[in-house]
Amino acid sequence: DAGVIQSPRHEVTEMGQEVTLRCKPISGHDYLFWYRQTMMRGLELLIYFNNNVPIDDSGMPEDRFSAKMPNASFSTLKIQPSEPRDSAVYFCASSFTGTVTFFGQGTRLTVV
Amino acid sequence: SQKIEQNSEALNIQEGKTATLTCNYTNYSPAYLQWYRQDPGRGPVFLLLIRENEKEKRKERLKVTFDTTLKQSLFHITASQPADSATYLCALGEAGNNRKLIWGLGTSLAVNP
Repeated sequence: DAGVIQSPRHEVTEMGQEVTLRCKPISGHDYLFWYRQTMMRGLELLIYFNNNVPIDDSGMPEDRFSAKMPNASFSTLKIQPSEPRDSAVYFCASSFTGTVTFFGQGTRLTVV
Repeated sequence: SQKIEQNSEALNIQEGKTATLTCNYTNYSPAYLQWYRQDPGRGPVFLLLIRENEKEKRKERLKVTFDTTLKQSLFHITASQPADSATYLCALGEAGNNRKLIWGLGTSLAVNP
């Protein structure tokens, strides 16, 4: 398996624009997580899904953030409108049991 | 308040020595604790998981201990190598069905040849 695949790897966008991050989890994994990582706050869980159903979205900063998982092999994280404080590395991760977690390479988002 | 803390200062050691990293937590009741390695520009990679009823876990040159009385986990790398240089993250999982992990900020380890 190729592991968790995220796209794009880097994204630079202007404030106010919509940003969509994409993720393909490892086949057979039933948990999918979206994280944000910054130097100051470390890794923060934004939302996680179990069998494509959102379970906990309490980490989503505000209504500008939304996540979907239309099927077991694809998820998106959308930010609309984007703001400079959203600049961070966003990781998608998947897990079979919900404990040991496999991370993608991340998307480095810069909002100018 | 709830906190999970790791050594904030970078750890520099000589090749061949044992590196010891610390993870302390307050006001959590962990079911398990995990350690991950993160290299620059990459996502974290799982290393070891230790459950609250386990005292110690080993995997090759890695050893993790878990003391729920002290509310602390120690992560040891024996016979360290320059290739072990990375940031090491601890993550705590609480009891129950919640799969939310709480993460430390990580400790940067540099192993000098």
